[in-house]
Amino acid sequence: EPEVTQTPSHQVTQMGQEVILRCVPISNHLYFYWYRQILGQKVEFLVSFYNNEISEKSEIFDDQFSVERPDGSNFTLKIRSTKLEDSAMYFCASGAPEGVNTEAFFGQGTRLTVV
Amino acid sequence: AQSVTQLGSHVSVSEGALVLLRCNYSSSVPPYLFWYVQYPNQGLQLLLKYTSAATLVKGINGFEAEFKKSETSFHLTKPSAHMSDAAEYFCAVSPLQGAQKLVFGQGTRLTINP
Repeated sequence: EPEVTQTPSHQVTQMGQEVILRCVPISNHLYFYWYRQILGQKVEFLVSFYNNEISEKSEIFDDQFSVERPDGSNFTLKIRSTKLEDSAMYFCASGAPEGVNTEAFFGQGTRLTVV
Repeated sequence: AQSVTQLGSHVSVSEGALVLLRCNYSSSVPPYLFWYVQYPNQGLQLLLKYTSAATLVKGINGFEAEFKKSETSFHLTKPSAHMSDAAEYFCAVSPLQGAQKLVFGQGTRLTINP
């Protein structure tokens, strides 16, 4: 069964450093998403990406964040200068083309720890 | 705008007992509704979804949920709890049309007592 894969599973970084979280969505999907879950809290939407551009972003997704689909298969989330409060589990998700009755498929997540 | 409220951050039931996890939603457009399960240190797995077809939706692992428009609810049930059901459960809503951004509830941690 096709799945969304995320790497690494756990990343530890120093405050102020840049991190890139990587995701390989399901191959025929056209919608891509990043969500995050701070420990003990609910899953929060960060950004959606369609047709090579951001289609929607939350207020959390400020100038420190960026997304990219560099090569048609990977989908990355970059945090330019990490803060302690960026520590969270980050989930990538992908969804099928519009008009198809489906749901978002989630990866296993990357746990980011900023120290 | 859409929102989800899950009543009860923590539910505890005995093995073999009925599981009922409550979810109420608010949506200005016809919604898709979902229940996801998260086992410890794992990602989100879809349990079931409502997409405007049958109002009673059956999912994996014996779970089902009923969409009640008049009550704006989408409660999750399972007739007989199993120890392996212990996990965090999230209700989520998205618009029926267009992009599938999900708005999640706070989650309900389900504990199963032997």
